[in-house]
Amino acid sequence: DGGITQSPKYLFRKEGQNVTLSCEQNLNHDAMYWYRQDPGQGLRLIYYSQIVNDFQKGDIAEGYSVSREKKESFPLTVTSAQKNPTAFYLCASSTAYTGELFFGEGSRLTVL
Amino acid sequence: AQTVTQSQPEMSVQEAETVTLSCTYDTSESDYYLFWYKQPPSRQMILVIRQEAYKQQNATENRFSVNFQKAAKSFSLKISDSQLGDAAMYFCAYRSLTYNYGQNFVFGPGTRLSVLP
Repeated sequence: DGGITQSPKYLFRKEGQNVTLSCEQNLNHDAMYWYRQDPGQGLRLIYYSQIVNDFQKGDIAEGYSVSREKKESFPLTVTSAQKNPTAFYLCASSTAYTGELFFGEGSRLTVL
Repeated sequence: AQTVTQSQPEMSVQEAETVTLSCTYDTSESDYYLFWYKQPPSRQMILVIRQEAYKQQNATENRFSVNFQKAAKSFSLKISDSQLGDAAMYFCAYRSLTYNYGQNFVFGPGTRLSVLP
């Protein structure tokens, strides 16, 4: 089955630590995205990537970093510079020009 | 820039009844996509229905249908015969077809739907 796999589903981090959230897709989509969702809130775009080795900042990129070395993979690193990282993180992908976003199941990050 | 508004933060419906969720958007484009996503307590985002702006016919998926009014920039979701499993957060989303992937999806703030037994 084609889809998007995010791991881990739950992650705990101590303050000052960097953590990396994994996102893999086998849909052959060009574009991939990371969104952050806070409780009861909508989605905010962190980073997106249109093609391999290229990515752009979204609305709330500060304290986050990404890479896109393979078409299938778009990992997100939450750095110690992110002041309030406790949130739900959603990875998504889409075709180039048409259609909807396909989402992973999400990763819940909690800072202890 | 496009914006999406959902004016109903919360709604409730009796099981087996019909409910309509509202969505309006602002755009100067003539061709675009509109979507409704459902986010149940599991928090996975599930596509409910999609509408291409060039199609005049309203999209339907089983118990879910939309009322797409292009001139009014309105895209409401009707859920018929509501079921307990329909309880979720519903997001309206807009996709521009301009050449800027990252910013071309715009989400509304969501409407939390409760289904009463």
